Amino acid sequence: EIVLTQSPGTLSLSPGERATLSCRASQSVSSSYLAWYQQKPGQAPRLLIYDTSSRATGIPDRFSGSGSGTDFTLTISRLEPEDFAMYYCQQYSSSPLTFGPGTKVDIK
Amino acid sequence: EVQLVQSGAEVKKPGESLKISCRGSGYSFTSDWIAWVRQMPGKGLEWMGVIYPGDSDIRYSPSFLGQVTISADKSISTAYLQWRSLKASDTAIYYCARYSSDWNALDIWGQGTMVTVSS
Repeated sequence: EIVLTQSPGTLSLSPGERATLSCRASQSVSSSYLAWYQQKPGQAPRLLIYDTSSRATGIPDRFSGSGSGTDFTLTISRLEPEDFAMYYCQQYSSSPLTFGPGTKVDIK
Repeated sequence: EVQLVQSGAEVKKPGESLKISCRGSGYSFTSDWIAWVRQMPGKGLEWMGVIYPGDSDIRYSPSFLGQVTISADKSISTAYLQWRSLKASDTAIYYCARYSSDWNALDIWGQGTMVTVSS
């Protein structure tokens, strides 16, 4: 099983700042099978990024993804008030599909 | 509109059985996998398994194999998650989600079903 580790656990930033979230895998992940999700309290997760760097439908371009192998990054270029939430990375390069533990982006 | 609509919240006692549902609409239900994801209170996301409604091919996470049963009825575009004997530790929100083979990701999510197991 591929274990995903996300860091930091919590990121405290102000609106307008840049957020950089890390996702590290215990073994190599095909870039075609790495995704990121956003979840707000009381809501279902929402797909942000698939194939490491492709934005899902309707996702603003301030969200971007990058990486390869075992190290992947989600960047939010300028935080908007609605971006303060929990973020999860996920892989399905090999079964079982696994999620990272999440990074909480909260308001400083 | 492509959507997955899940059944409502449930409150059960330990030892009882339960079957929750997830109905798809706005797309070809038989052409994409449906995954089930657990979220325990205040915790992260855990993949339980997937089903391909077209032929009922099922893959379980090792962590959930034998603990739940995943099924689907393609005639009514509905997937199911079932327990034979609930435990207090099954208390969680359960999400269904469409696994897009084009995107290799869970692109459409249901609203979640809260299951509470308490004596």
